[in-house]
Amino acid sequence: DAGVIQSPRHEVTEMGQEVTLRCKPISGHDYLFWYRQTMMRGLELLIYFNNNVPIDDSGMPEDRFSAKMPNASFSTLKIQPSEPRDSAVYFCASRGDRGLSGNTIYFGEGSWLTVV
Amino acid sequence: AQTVTQSQPEMSVQEAETVTLSCTYDTSESNYYLFWYKQPPSRQMILVIRQEAYKQQNATENRFSVNFQKAAKSFSLKISDSQLGDTAMYFCAFMTGGGETSGSRLTFGEGTQLTVNP
Repeated sequence: DAGVIQSPRHEVTEMGQEVTLRCKPISGHDYLFWYRQTMMRGLELLIYFNNNVPIDDSGMPEDRFSAKMPNASFSTLKIQPSEPRDSAVYFCASRGDRGLSGNTIYFGEGSWLTVV
Repeated sequence: AQTVTQSQPEMSVQEAETVTLSCTYDTSESNYYLFWYKQPPSRQMILVIRQEAYKQQNATENRFSVNFQKAAKSFSLKISDSQLGDTAMYFCAFMTGGGETSGSRLTFGEGTQLTVNP
């Protein structure tokens, strides 16, 4: 089975530009998560969805960040405008609703964002 | 709120030897899951092993095993026959069992950087 697929793997952008990160969860998984990892703050949960509906976005740092999940197989995390402090590795992750996959969160390979 | 503590920021081991990484957690929940994730230099987060709190038997996955002490709230990872490819940051993580809101948040420890030396 294919795992969680993220794109791009690496992105370097200039401050002020819009950044869009994309994610395809594991087929059949009902939950999708966006995490951010930085040296200073470690791994932070930004937002998660259940059946395409945002459940908890309390970790989204500010209005410059937005996330959507238009269907069960696709989600985006957008930063507009980007700032150097947004530089981090952004992970998408998913889990199922029952069974073994229902209690385990599987991560994508991450999108390494650098804002200069 | 749950907390996860990894008290060893760095560890090293010789190839083929055994190493144990420590993790303690704090929770008032009775239904929960514990995980070890590995993050190599590529930054990918890879699931190593999981443990259900209701199971007394310690989980094992090939060279990886855990020592789960529920009363002590301890969850250590043992890596046997260490290989160079085991060099990575290892994160201990906690997730409550349950439904839509409670069972979806992973709490991570600070991580332990493991280096396997040839």
